[in-house]
Amino acid sequence: GEDVEQSLFLSVREGDSSVINCTYTDSSSTYLYWYKQEPGAGLQLLTYIFSNMDMKQDQRLTVLLNKKDKHLSLRIADTQTGDSAIYFCAESLSTGTASKLTFGTGTRLQVTL
Amino acid sequence: NAGVTQTPKFQVLKTGQSMTLQCAQDMNHNSMYWYRQDPGMGLRLIYYSASEGTTDKGEVPNGYNVSRLNKREFSLRLESAAPSQTSVYFCASSRVGGNTGELFFGEGSRLTVL
Repeated sequence: GEDVEQSLFLSVREGDSSVINCTYTDSSSTYLYWYKQEPGAGLQLLTYIFSNMDMKQDQRLTVLLNKKDKHLSLRIADTQTGDSAIYFCAESLSTGTASKLTFGTGTRLQVTL
Repeated sequence: NAGVTQTPKFQVLKTGQSMTLQCAQDMNHNSMYWYRQDPGMGLRLIYYSASEGTTDKGEVPNGYNVSRLNKREFSLRLESAAPSQTSVYFCASSRVGGNTGELFFGEGSRLTVL
């Protein structure tokens, strides 16, 4: 089966950049996603990248995709305390009508003052 | 616009008891999903329903049943709860075709089985 791996924890200082990494195994994934989960809440889509792209930038967020190494990263510039959350990467295995996403274990980002 | 609504938000069961988690979405989405979230394991797909009238097993279906009551509602039933089913359960929905496959999640239901 598919396996998506992430490190469990990352601590950064406010104002620094955060880089969260992810490796995935299914080269046929169409889309790759980053979701954010704040305490006590559900997951919300942060950004996504189509599999034929190498990079996507969205304000403070930069997503890099290395298909050869099956490596995905999320860079958050000027990290703020409000960015403290769990970040999940996910890959999409579309079955035509359903989006069966496989999620990583999640990386807990702690932002310190 | 409520999005995806799950009930109950919290539940404590004894081993062997049964219960049903309810989920409803008001976004006219065709597909709905149930995931469970456990520490260090991310989210794992239990069951999904690609469209009204269909359901399929996900990665961890044992011990669960689902019903796609109509287009809006997708329930998850535990017939005989076990401590291993202590988890946070998330319902999600998605549109069909011509989109990024984004899932929209509810706020979760925290279940403890004693």
